[in-house]
Amino acid sequence: TQLLEQSPQFLSIQEGENLTVYCNSSSVFSSLQWYRQEPGEGPVLLVTVVTGGEVKKLKRLTFQFGDARKDSSLHITAAQPGDTGLYLCAGTSGTYKYIFGTGTRLKVLA
Amino acid sequence: GAVVSQHPSWVICKSGTSVKIECRSLDFQATTMFWYRQFPKQSLMLMATSNEGSKATYEQGVEKDKFLINHASLTLSTLTVTSAHPEDSSFYICSAPPGGAYPPNYGYTFGSGTRLTVV
Repeated sequence: TQLLEQSPQFLSIQEGENLTVYCNSSSVFSSLQWYRQEPGEGPVLLVTVVTGGEVKKLKRLTFQFGDARKDSSLHITAAQPGDTGLYLCAGTSGTYKYIFGTGTRLKVLA
Repeated sequence: GAVVSQHPSWVICKSGTSVKIECRSLDFQATTMFWYRQFPKQSLMLMATSNEGSKATYEQGVEKDKFLINHASLTLSTLTVTSAHPEDSSFYICSAPPGGAYPPNYGYTFGSGTRLTVV
């Protein structure tokens, strides 16, 4: 069974701080995605990474896919209250079925 | 962009009754849709894969007779929670891959979710 473990599980930081969220697995994924979900809503796609070692930037967010395609990280620079939410990684081994990570709940305090 | 419309957004029902949740792809065709369940402050758990014109594929541990899935057209999938009980209370979310590519590297588009409360 494929599992995606995210760490930390919870994170509460002050506005302006930097943070990194990790997504780890013992399985290899053909692609991995990061989503952000706000309470009472469905997840919204942030980025997709498909190549080992790939780095993508989305404004203050930097995503990296591990060389072996088993792990990924999300780094947020100068966090803002609007970044608050549940961050989920999701991976697939080549099918339509994605496995979601355990989630990281981020709260950015003003 | 691709939009998936899900309704109702929330529903309260009495124990023993059935509830139907609809998921529509508004501007694209979805031969496959996915239904997830999410408990408070937890991640998404895949319940089943809905396939247009064929039977749904259920994940291990999900009761097929409890959670009926119908995917009658390329734009509509429904999840019916039959004989609902309080333990079925949860947040149910559908999603579809709008890109049509295999694998769906363009990501999933998610519905806004349905909060079901069984009293």
